[in-house]
Amino acid sequence: NAGVMQNPRHLVRRRGQEARLRCSPMKGHSHVYWYRQLPEEGLKFMVYLQKENIIDESGMPKERFSAEFPKEGPSILRIQQVVRGDSAAYFCASSPSRGAGANTEAFFGQGTRLTVV
Amino acid sequence: AQSVTQPDIHITVSEGASLELRCNYSYGATPYLFWYVQSPGQGLQLLLKYFSGDTLVQGIKGFEAEFKRSQSSFNLRKPSVHWSDAAEYFCAVAPGVTNAGKSTFGDGTTLTVKP
Repeated sequence: NAGVMQNPRHLVRRRGQEARLRCSPMKGHSHVYWYRQLPEEGLKFMVYLQKENIIDESGMPKERFSAEFPKEGPSILRIQQVVRGDSAAYFCASSPSRGAGANTEAFFGQGTRLTVV
Repeated sequence: AQSVTQPDIHITVSEGASLELRCNYSYGATPYLFWYVQSPGQGLQLLLKYFSGDTLVQGIKGFEAEFKRSQSSFNLRKPSVHWSDAAEYFCAVAPGVTNAGKSTFGDGTTLTVKP
């Protein structure tokens, strides 16, 4: 069972471009969480999604950021018109929705490191 | 709102020495607490978690943590540190036992291990 897969691992964008970050949760997991980690800081929660639904987006910036988790395919975190301050590591985590340990543990991907130049 | 404080930004210990990393939390209800480890350029790996029951929790890689409600603390310990333990360690608190993915993280403690 592969872990949480994020791609790309590294992404470089010029200011004003769009960044798309992908996250494939572990098999059987239908809960996905996105976090942002700025340099020298801990992870900050951004958004919680289930298939085709945004459950909690209280940590998402109001503009330029959006997330989706379609019925088929990976979850996507999209950042439009990137600025230098968006440079960070973006982590995705997933957790199972049923069965023993449902949603009591989150499994993290290796992250996408976004650099805006 | 919940919050987590890791008072030590950077700790250096000698290999074979004991280790304690501090974590203080603020949360209005029963806290659900986690410790994660992050190696450079990698994601987070769960070391251990506390939901209820025995306040001394055993984790992977020889780590343990003790929940002390009176002190609002969840400190991580290891009796003998190995060079491979050098990494960044994060304490986190979740709002509910079935909402582990929406955690609030501390800013982390970087552990350096001297030979």
